[in-house]
Amino acid sequence: SAVISQKPSRDICQRGTSLTIQCQVDSQVTMMFWYRQQPGQSLTLIATANQGSEATYESGFVIDKFPISRPNLTFSTLTVSNMSPEDSSIYLCSVSGGGAFDEQYFGPGTRLTVT
Amino acid sequence: QKEVEQNSGPLSVPEGAIASLNCTYSDRGSQSFFWYRQYSGKSPELIMFIYSNGDKEDGRFTAQLNKASQYVSLLIRDSQPSDSATYLCAVKARSGNTPLVFGKGTRLSVIA
Repeated sequence: SAVISQKPSRDICQRGTSLTIQCQVDSQVTMMFWYRQQPGQSLTLIATANQGSEATYESGFVIDKFPISRPNLTFSTLTVSNMSPEDSSIYLCSVSGGGAFDEQYFGPGTRLTVT
Repeated sequence: QKEVEQNSGPLSVPEGAIASLNCTYSDRGSQSFFWYRQYSGKSPELIMFIYSNGDKEDGRFTAQLNKASQYVSLLIRDSQPSDSATYLCAVKARSGNTPLVFGKGTRLSVIA
């Protein structure tokens, strides 16, 4: 399986600021996804990061709040903009495309606390 | 709306017993099915996937799929305290570049 790293692993930010999370994969992958996991909850898909085009956002998530870049097949960023305490969550990068059944693998996550 | 349903638990089993985790899905066209284990404070880890009806065994884990009943399960034999975690069921609706749909997870507690 692909080795996925995320930076930062955690951060504490003030409301109104923005944080950019990086996701790096050690091999080229077809698909990259960004998820959010709020405390005690399951995974919520934010968007699919498309290489060379705009990300595809799920209902309830918008580009102005969560801009995403994917400049190549091994790297993506997610920015959480104009943060509020409700954005406190774990943000997870996930990739697929290397396995026979499109299985998805997850990065270690970024734990974000907004004060 | 494609849905994946799991009992949230907690499911408590004694050490050495068989833990049975269940999942149902709404999209009859779903093709691939995955089980992830998530320890508290960690990211999900893929432990099993299955795509055809029947059983698939890997060590102490057995995944079972019944497409007619839209039901997938995970059996953990000889449960250990280290198996205590949340288990997420995920379904891929069709082949190609679509993300998995996740259930809310079942919390398993193995009591020593």
